[in-house]
Amino acid sequence: KAGVTQTPRYLIKTRGQQVTLSCSPISGHRSVSWYQQTPGQGLQFLFEYFSETQRNKGNFPGRFSGRQFSNSRSEMNVSTLELGDSALYLCASTPRGPDTEAFFGQGTRLTVV
Amino acid sequence: EDQVTQSPEALRLQEGESSSLNCSYTVSGLRGLFWYRQDPGKGPEFLFTLYSAGEEKEKERLKATLTKKESFLHITAPKPEDSATYLCAGNTGGFKTIFGAGTRLFVKA
Repeated sequence: KAGVTQTPRYLIKTRGQQVTLSCSPISGHRSVSWYQQTPGQGLQFLFEYFSETQRNKGNFPGRFSGRQFSNSRSEMNVSTLELGDSALYLCASTPRGPDTEAFFGQGTRLTVV
Repeated sequence: EDQVTQSPEALRLQEGESSSLNCSYTVSGLRGLFWYRQDPGKGPEFLFTLYSAGEEKEKERLKATLTKKESFLHITAPKPEDSATYLCAGNTGGFKTIFGAGTRLFVKA
């Protein structure tokens, strides 16, 4: 079956702009989690969605937001981009929640200039 | 505060030289300790889940173990293709998984 698909793979944005990243989970998976990965901080949890509801959120400013659609596809949005937002953004899907093995996408590499 | 700490940060081995990676955790109400492998430019790939102290799981040259405070990933007779970053993560039960910073493993032929 198809894996987790993230689009786009690469993005270059200017400070102050906003960006939307997309994640299509594995068919049948209803839980989607988002992570930010940087060399200095590793994988940092952003938020988790299940059936269109955000169930938990990490310690990120309000500029980071997300949503999930009825087909389980998810998007995350970052507004007013800062240089420090440059990172690999990963999404992971599981059938019911993060207490089981997660399947990750290849990530979106965001560069803010 | 929930925390997952991995050591060492980097490990260089000769092919065939067995070793262990450590993951210590302070996660209240732990609901699963996970090991993932990540290759450069790719997302993490699932290896193991451990749920209770004393549990062990094996896959090819890898074996994961769990105690009440830490987990170990034992690598037996590694090969160059085992070179990757190995990530440990703990699920808090609050729909949140916390990752360690990872151990970068280099295996030289």
